[in-house]
Amino acid sequence: DIQMTQSPSTLSASVGDRVTITCRASQSISGWMAWYQQKPGKAPKLLIYKASSLESGVPSRFSGSGSGTEFTLTISSLQPDDFATYYCQHYYIYPLTFGGGTKVEIK
Amino acid sequence: EVQLVESGGGLVQPGGSLRLSCAASGFIFSDHYMDWVRQAPGEGLEWVGRSKHRRENYATEYAASVKGRFIVSRDDSRYSLYLQMNGLRTEDTAVYYCTWSRGGPNYNMDVWGQGTTVIVSS
Repeated sequence: DIQMTQSPSTLSASVGDRVTITCRASQSISGWMAWYQQKPGKAPKLLIYKASSLESGVPSRFSGSGSGTEFTLTISSLQPDDFATYYCQHYYIYPLTFGGGTKVEIK
Repeated sequence: EVQLVESGGGLVQPGGSLRLSCAASGFIFSDHYMDWVRQAPGEGLEWVGRSKHRRENYATEYAASVKGRFIVSRDDSRYSLYLQMNGLRTEDTAVYYCTWSRGGPNYNMDVWGQGTTVIVSS
């Protein structure tokens, strides 16, 4: 199975900060990576697919990059609505696996 | 607009069975991959299983943790996805989400339902 390692697990930041979350795959997944945002008590929401493609309706302050085994999700200027938990997920082979999550907290 | 509504969750004893349903609308059901993803209390996301679309004969894939116990099926006439869960264990306690994939080549989870809660306890 491909292991997805996210870092950091928790991140404290302020409104307006640039935030970067990293996800490392245990083997190459080409660009078959998605990022999701989840708020407490709610279902996850797709932000990014194919490593860098922005889902329709998602603010442009979110961006994704990377290929192979190293990927990043960047929020260019953190907004109050962005405090949530973020998950990476590969869809290269079965089983599909998620990273452990990164909780973005208010500093 | 794609909409997914899960139902069927509840309290069940260890060793018991439960069937979850996901009612879908807003797209041609037979043309899309559908998945089940779960989230144990306070934990992260875990993919459970997948039903591929009609062109791939509705083939299924499973996580090792549920293979042989859970079955993903679908009824295209009812626009419904199902998860039959047998031999339930306490570690199967989770919120179960139904998800929809827009389609190739990106078979990620584009839209999620609101989830249904399964509690396995004596």
